[in-house]
Amino acid sequence: QKEVEQDPGPLSVPEGAIVSLNCTYSNSAFQYFMWYRQYSRKGPELLMYTYSSGNKEDGRFTAQVDKSSKYISLFIRDSQPSDSATYLCAMRAGGSYIPTFGRGTSLIVHP
Amino acid sequence: GAVVSQHPSRVICKSGTSVKIECRSLDFQATTMFWYRQFPKQSLMLMATSNEGSKATYEQGVEKDKFLINHASLTLSTLTVTSAHPEDSSFYICSASRDNYEQYFGPGTRLTVT
Repeated sequence: QKEVEQDPGPLSVPEGAIVSLNCTYSNSAFQYFMWYRQYSRKGPELLMYTYSSGNKEDGRFTAQVDKSSKYISLFIRDSQPSDSATYLCAMRAGGSYIPTFGRGTSLIVHP
Repeated sequence: GAVVSQHPSRVICKSGTSVKIECRSLDFQATTMFWYRQFPKQSLMLMATSNEGSKATYEQGVEKDKFLINHASLTLSTLTVTSAHPEDSSFYICSASRDNYEQYFGPGTRLTVT
């Protein structure tokens, strides 16, 4: 079992839909959780950074962490075609600065 | 702020030759730089971590004699793929950190070995 599991998709949704992206993990030491967006042939861009459990909102993006279930989510409201990209979750333990990445979920938002 | 550049963005080389990829932090001093490799539809795989002025720390299974990393200054790290083979073809991404918490990624370099 991989430390971080993420469905590669692709996930195809119509413009304006609410998107839910998820990752599960097995290492209970993970305390910091990140979501990155990666456009094709580009490097990842940090979207959200959360510590421990709870929700964090930034514009149309909401990150949710449930440590008891070892499950994290990224919600995108009012999705746009420009949101089409691969979304990678990443997480790390408190004593480490090297995150473990999921394999990414490909999102396609069609007009 | 926190911009990281990579050069070249794409490179094609012949089998047996060496290729150097540069990673620069443009507007901050990076205490640590990281090199990743990414295959299509796969996750980022950490290859090595480097600190300025010291030897890089390689992940298990990464050949340090094949992937030479030099971290010459707080704003520049280079990855040299020596004696490249077609199986080394991949997307190489660097990242830089100034506080050992958040990593800022470069745009990546696509290497094709023919």
